[in-house]
Amino acid sequence: NSKVIQTPRYLVKGQGQKAKMRCIPEKGHPVVFWYQQNKNNEFKFLINFQNQEVLQQIDMTEKRFSAECPSNSPCSLEIQSSEAGDSALYLCASSLFQAGNTLYFGEGSRLIVV
Amino acid sequence: GQQVQQSPASLVLQEGENAELQCNFSSTATRLQWFYQHPGGRLVSLFYNPSGTKHTGRLTSTTVTNERRSSLHISSSQTTDSGTYFCASSGGSNAKLTFGKGTKLSVKS
Repeated sequence: NSKVIQTPRYLVKGQGQKAKMRCIPEKGHPVVFWYQQNKNNEFKFLINFQNQEVLQQIDMTEKRFSAECPSNSPCSLEIQSSEAGDSALYLCASSLFQAGNTLYFGEGSRLIVV
Repeated sequence: GQQVQQSPASLVLQEGENAELQCNFSSTATRLQWFYQHPGGRLVSLFYNPSGTKHTGRLTSTTVTNERRSSLHISSSQTTDSGTYFCASSGGSNAKLTFGKGTKLSVKS
């Protein structure tokens, strides 16, 4: 069973507001991923880290989205100015290695932008 | 990048019937996982299976690496198996998983 912890489970924001989600990876897992799942169940990779360093990220995250994984603190994903299209389930996952092994997901943070 | 296709998109079964879910991916997978997503959103890993066959309970996953396909077999389906099943894959040293669009399974009593 996954021990990835995501908070909050739900958040409701007005357009233009900041939205911040946190993730505690499984103990000992240095690789962390963020995914966005839209209402059509489609997954979009956002960014991943190994320890505190960004491995890969998509263009979207370079604008309104920011993410970090500081040492000894939860990882976070923040949307600076929420838009209606950001409404989605945000999933955090962790793994032991960059490739070749299992990803474990948290329960997700569901963002609703009104 | 990696592309993942799942079939069927949806499946309706009577309790006790078997289900076969298919996944095809565009390049050799170094990482291949099957997930079950609860209606509330929680994504549970069922199998990590980039090659060969694995069993757990009523579930079997078979991946044929050189044919770039994987299947998930559910035997004697139960109503609690209802939900959406996702296949996800990555190739080479690429860390990120690419997900298929899922198979929505509904098991009727």
